[in-house]
Amino acid sequence: SYVVTQPPSESVAPGKTARITCGGDNIGRKNVHWYQQKAGQAPVLVIFRDSARPSWIPERFSGSNFENTATLIISRVEAGDEAAYYCQVWDSSDDHRGVFGTGTLLTVL
Amino acid sequence: EAQVVESGGGLVQPGRSLRLSCAVSGFNFDDFGMHWVRQAPGKGLEWISGISWNGADTGYADSVKGRFTISRDSAKNSLYLQMDSLRPDDTALYYCAKDQGGSWPGNGFDIWGQGTMVTVSS
Repeated sequence: SYVVTQPPSESVAPGKTARITCGGDNIGRKNVHWYQQKAGQAPVLVIFRDSARPSWIPERFSGSNFENTATLIISRVEAGDEAAYYCQVWDSSDDHRGVFGTGTLLTVL
Repeated sequence: EAQVVESGGGLVQPGRSLRLSCAVSGFNFDDFGMHWVRQAPGKGLEWISGISWNGADTGYADSVKGRFTISRDSAKNSLYLQMDSLRPDDTALYYCAKDQGGSWPGNGFDIWGQGTMVTVSS
């Protein structure tokens, strides 16, 4: 089965840029979706198909995906961005299963 | 406003069954795939099952395949998850989520409910 890996944690100062990675074998060939989950809340889609933003997500959120690494980029980080972030792909090798990354806890210093 | 609301969770003994429901509103249910995602206490997200817009295609995680069954009822605008042979490691908050599209496999999940808690314990 397809495995995606994320660093357990990242920290960033307010106003700086956060980069959260999602690694997988040739993940650049897949569509990667990103979710934000704040403490005690349901997940929220923040990026879909590598780099597209839902209408409710600010332009500070962007994404890229190349070769073996997908990246969620949060510019001008705010305190309210503190959350767990999960990447998600579809594993088409066997019955098309959804796969989430292990999650990265973003701490705003 | 598009929304999904889960129900049916609770405390159940190992080996027993439980059926979760997800009522949808604010969008055309028949146009979109739907999914169940769970989160064990203090853990990450785990996709467990999905179904295409017309129910023709379904998928399951290895951890639940053969024990859980996903279904949908367009007349009731509802998604279901029949969970049999429950185990303690099935204890989790179960989320219903709407797919951005209708095809299989799916896309991203753009609408989530607040979840319904399932606890499997004797």
